[in-house]
Amino acid sequence: DTGVSQNPRHKITKRGQNVTFRCDPISEHNRLYWYRQTLGQGPEFLTYFQNEAQLEKSRLLSDRFSAERPKGSFSTLEIQRTEQGDSAMYLCASSSQGPTQYFGPGTRLTVL
Amino acid sequence: AQSVTQPDIHITVSEGASLELRCNYSYGATPYLFWYVQSPGQGLQLLLKYFSGDTLVQGIKGFEAEFKRSQSSFNLRKPSVHWSDAAEYFCAGEVDNFNKFYFGSGTKLNVKP
Repeated sequence: DTGVSQNPRHKITKRGQNVTFRCDPISEHNRLYWYRQTLGQGPEFLTYFQNEAQLEKSRLLSDRFSAERPKGSFSTLEIQRTEQGDSAMYLCASSSQGPTQYFGPGTRLTVL
Repeated sequence: AQSVTQPDIHITVSEGASLELRCNYSYGATPYLFWYVQSPGQGLQLLLKYFSGDTLVQGIKGFEAEFKRSQSSFNLRKPSVHWSDAAEYFCAGEVDNFNKFYFGSGTKLNVKP
């Protein structure tokens, strides 16, 4: 049973550029979550999917952020026109029948 | 409002000493509660979880946690800390039909030789 994988692990970009991250959940997990973690803080919820349906979005998810899970398997998180305040670790998690979420290694974004 | 609080930002213990990390929650109902550990630059690894029933739960790596409803707490303990336990520990709660987690701000554990 492979765990949650995320790519890339690190991304450095210039302010104003667009970036896209990918998350592959544990096989057959129907729920997928995105969180953002800034330095010295706990993860904060961004959004979650049940299968391909995006069921909730945090107010942290501004209109520059979009997430998709087109076939109910992997998910992408895109940030348009990045700002320095977007620098953070972006974590993906998945779950199946119960509330336990299993996390991936994260994507560290640095916006210069 | 739903929240999880970890009052200690940093804790330092000597190797071999016992450890207790504090976690308090504020929810309308009893939440599902979790402890995760994060090494630098890594994701979160699940240590243990509490859903219902026995209030003392055992986890991996020799950790345990006790749920105390009267104190709204779910403290993490380990009887003898190893140098490899140095990491950041996060408490999380969830109460809304397998929805989002609320995380505490974390406790960074340093282990002295």
